[in-house]
Amino acid sequence: GAGVSQSPSNKVTEKGKDVELRCDPISGHTALYWYRQSLGQGLEFLIYFQGNSAPDKSGLPSDRFSAERTGGSVSTLTIQRTQQEDSAVYLCASSSLGSVSYEQYFGPGTRLTVT
Amino acid sequence: GQNIDQPTEMTATEGAIVQINCTYQTSGFNGLFWYQQHAGEAPTFLSYNVLDGLEEKGRFSSFLSRSKGYSYLLLKELQMKDSASYLCAVSWSQGNLIFGKGTKLSVKP
Repeated sequence: GAGVSQSPSNKVTEKGKDVELRCDPISGHTALYWYRQSLGQGLEFLIYFQGNSAPDKSGLPSDRFSAERTGGSVSTLTIQRTQQEDSAVYLCASSSLGSVSYEQYFGPGTRLTVT
Repeated sequence: GQNIDQPTEMTATEGAIVQINCTYQTSGFNGLFWYQQHAGEAPTFLSYNVLDGLEEKGRFSSFLSRSKGYSYLLLKELQMKDSASYLCAVSWSQGNLIFGKGTKLSVKP
C-alpha cells in the first residue's frame, strides 16, 4: 500500500511569508507526528495528533507554528511570518496505536528554505 | 528532563562488526527504537526493544537494559550500503518519540 506522502518536497520562501506543509498518512493510521530536522541535528518533535485532536503540542517552537488535522487523515503544518531559522526538513510520520510497538512510518519530508 | 546520547560519528571496515551505543534518561519509557537514515532520505525502522535483552534480525541486533538506560545496535558483516546515520529513539508517552542526534556511520572498503 501507499506510504506516508508529503508535499511539497521542496519549498523556498522569503522571510516573513506564510507557508503550509501537507502530510498524507498511511490509510488507517490514527496517530500522526510532525518533526523537523535541521542540518546536522537530530529529529525535533513538533506536534502529535491522535485522530483530529492534538494531545501534545509541546514541541511547537513558537506561536507562529500551528497544525491541524481533518477527517483523521490529512494534516497541514502552517508556519506564519517565516524566519531564516525555520529552514529545515519537516518530516511527518504516522503510526497505528493499535500495534504494540507504535512503529512510526516516515514520509520523505519537505525541505523548507527561508531566504 | 529528556536526554538521549549516542556517538556523533563512527567508522568501520566492510565485513566487520560495529556496535553503536545509546544511553537515555526519559520521564517515561514505552520502548526503544533504532532507525536508519540515509543522507537526504527519511528514517526507516530497524528495531524495537521493550524488554531487556537482545533482539536479532538478520545482520542487525539490538540490545536493551532498562535498569541502566542503555541500548546498543550491533551491525554484522558490514556492507558499504550500511553507511548511514543511525538514530536511537525512546517512546515515552502515547507513542511520542524522543530522538538522539544520530550516529553517522561510515563504512570503508
